[in-house]
Amino acid sequence: QVQLVESGGGLVKPGGSLRLSCAASGFTFSDYYMTWVRQAPGKGLEWVSDLSGGGTYTRYADSVKGRFSISRDNARNSLYLQMNSLRAEDTAVYYCARADYSSGTYYHHWGQGTTVTVSS
Amino acid sequence: QSVLTQPPSVSAAPGQKVTISCSGSSSNIGNNYVSWYQQLPGTAPKLLTYDNNKRPSGIPDRFSGSKSGTSATLDITGLQTGDEADYYCGTWDTSLSAGVFGSGTKVTAL
Repeated sequence: QVQLVESGGGLVKPGGSLRLSCAASGFTFSDYYMTWVRQAPGKGLEWVSDLSGGGTYTRYADSVKGRFSISRDNARNSLYLQMNSLRAEDTAVYYCARADYSSGTYYHHWGQGTTVTVSS
Repeated sequence: QSVLTQPPSVSAAPGQKVTISCSGSSSNIGNNYVSWYQQLPGTAPKLLTYDNNKRPSGIPDRFSGSKSGTSATLDITGLQTGDEADYYCGTWDTSLSAGVFGSGTKVTAL
């Protein structure tokens, strides 16, 4: 069965950096776009970034563009999110999700999330 | 704030029907497919419907999605106390070249 497990969250000071990881199993990882979605405390879901199966095409939300970088290692079935110049408003639970596509894009499989707290 | 607008909360008695609306624009809902997600407290979102009105296996037919123009709707019939959760619509926004989610709706069984 499909499994996604995030790690790497923690407490970081404003302006600091953090790298999140997502370990995938149960499917051919390189066949799928992968996505990061975050949820600030008490707030809704926010799409952050996605990356094509081969690692060529990336897209970012305006709120993280230029500060976050998404990447993957298909040999290790892993997805990453490098977060730089972190701000208090980046505090959130970060989920990785597999992007499925039929007529449109949707997210059937999600990890359990990893918590990032940006605070001095 | 969210690109897609949902009512903050809806409620109904157990056994009744609730309808959650999701309003967008031509750059998102109007020209893309919509999915709906249920999020129980402290858990990851769960896919309820995709491609406007399809259900993954294992999702009861009490949950049904639809779309008309730049708006989408999730109906929950035969409301159960276990359905109490936050619900989000999602789609792609062609202008933003990014995914977008609704602001979320809290469903309460009175």
